[in-house]
Amino acid sequence: AQTVTQSQPEMSVQEAETVTLSCTYDTSESDYYLFWYKQPPSRQMILVIRQEAYKQQNATENRFSVNFQKAAKSFSLKISDSQLGDAAMYFCAYTTGGATNKLIFGTGTLLAVQP
Amino acid sequence: NAGVTQTPKFQVLKTGQSMTLQCAQDMNHEYMSWYRQDPGMGLRLIHYSVGAGITDQGEVPNGYNVSRSTTEDFPLRLLSAAPSQTSVYFCASSYRGGPSGGYTFGSGTRLTVV
Repeated sequence: AQTVTQSQPEMSVQEAETVTLSCTYDTSESDYYLFWYKQPPSRQMILVIRQEAYKQQNATENRFSVNFQKAAKSFSLKISDSQLGDAAMYFCAYTTGGATNKLIFGTGTLLAVQP
Repeated sequence: NAGVTQTPKFQVLKTGQSMTLQCAQDMNHEYMSWYRQDPGMGLRLIHYSVGAGITDQGEVPNGYNVSRSTTEDFPLRLLSAAPSQTSVYFCASSYRGGPSGGYTFGSGTRLTVV
């Protein structure tokens, strides 16, 4: 069964600094999608970044980038120039898409940003 | 441009009561799903649907029922609420067969069972 593991329950970063959140996953599939979602105190689930497994190039979205290591089944999120508004719970998620399209989540990392 | 609409946002139930959480989307997404979020456990899939008339169980289906009579609506029914069902519930939708467009989430329902 596919699983997603986030080994850092909590992280802290100083404003303007860089932080990396870790995520590993287990799958026997070769084609899949990986996501990072942000959940601020408002509870809304916000898509931060998406990576297709068949793409070797790491995805980037402004200050957010990933380090996708397919062989190691690792998908870390780097936040550069951290801002107070980045404080939130971050979830890593996986899906193969396909017929069932099920999205499997990790347990989350709570990020605090210190002024 | 509503996206995914969940109602209610908050609900308190007594043990044994039943209720329905509503979810509606206006994006013509084939795929809809229900998750529950509990501290330290992330989001876990309860039930999902790949189209009208088709539903299936996810990771934690016990105590919940779903139906999908239209493409737009995917209600989640609690038949006899238990304190263990105290949680935050999310509905999500996407196009079937490929999440290249991403999943869209509702704003969640916080349910407390006393």
